[in-house]
Amino acid sequence: ETGVTQTPRHLVMGMTNKKSLKCEQHLGHNAMYWYKQSAKKPLELMFVYSLEERVENNSVPSRFSPECPNSSHLFLHLHTLQPEDSALYLCASSQGLADSTDTQYFGPGTRLTVL
Amino acid sequence: AQKITQTQPGMFVQEKEAVTLDCTYDTSDQSYGLFWYKQPSSGEMIFLIYQGSYDEQNATEGRYSLNFQKARKSANLVISASQLGDSAMYFCAMREGAQTGANNLFFGTGTRLTVIP
Repeated sequence: ETGVTQTPRHLVMGMTNKKSLKCEQHLGHNAMYWYKQSAKKPLELMFVYSLEERVENNSVPSRFSPECPNSSHLFLHLHTLQPEDSALYLCASSQGLADSTDTQYFGPGTRLTVL
Repeated sequence: AQKITQTQPGMFVQEKEAVTLDCTYDTSDQSYGLFWYKQPSSGEMIFLIYQGSYDEQNATEGRYSLNFQKARKSANLVISASQLGDSAMYFCAMREGAQTGANNLFFGTGTRLTVIP
């Protein structure tokens, strides 16, 4: 089992749909992250969870709703998205948030297209 | 100001040759970490190498080495003996140690490396 898995790998949805992205980490880490990667822009951190508590929400629109039921799973619930939300959504995990040495390990991403 | 700058949108290298991917960073922290990631067309961001600001020696991991020049605030990635499978996007990232709370990684815009047979 690879370290961080994400499902689905590809998702096409209409603006009125509701869908969820799933991330699972098998590394025994305590922190998990959602990033958005748009074309020609640096990765944008969206949410950070540590021990199932949200510690960061970088001014993300409310149409994105994260959920972290335990330290191994992270969801991103999507509703009434806009076409500009089309991007690669990457999940990552790290041992903790303690210091600058904590390496984040990423999943393969979900390629989202909003029609 | 951008925290991480990668000035090479694209690079080409002949197979088996070495290549250097540039990265400069901006921070006033004394403690920070520098990371390089590889992103193939499949999308996954693969961790390659880490350099701590207090590390006196340049980090190495197999064919990857990090040319860390602290005074110049540069952290260039050197890939030796390039292989076709090295063709990918490469991202430099930094985490500042003075941050509390979230483990914020600041990413550059990336360099697309193409290895030519």
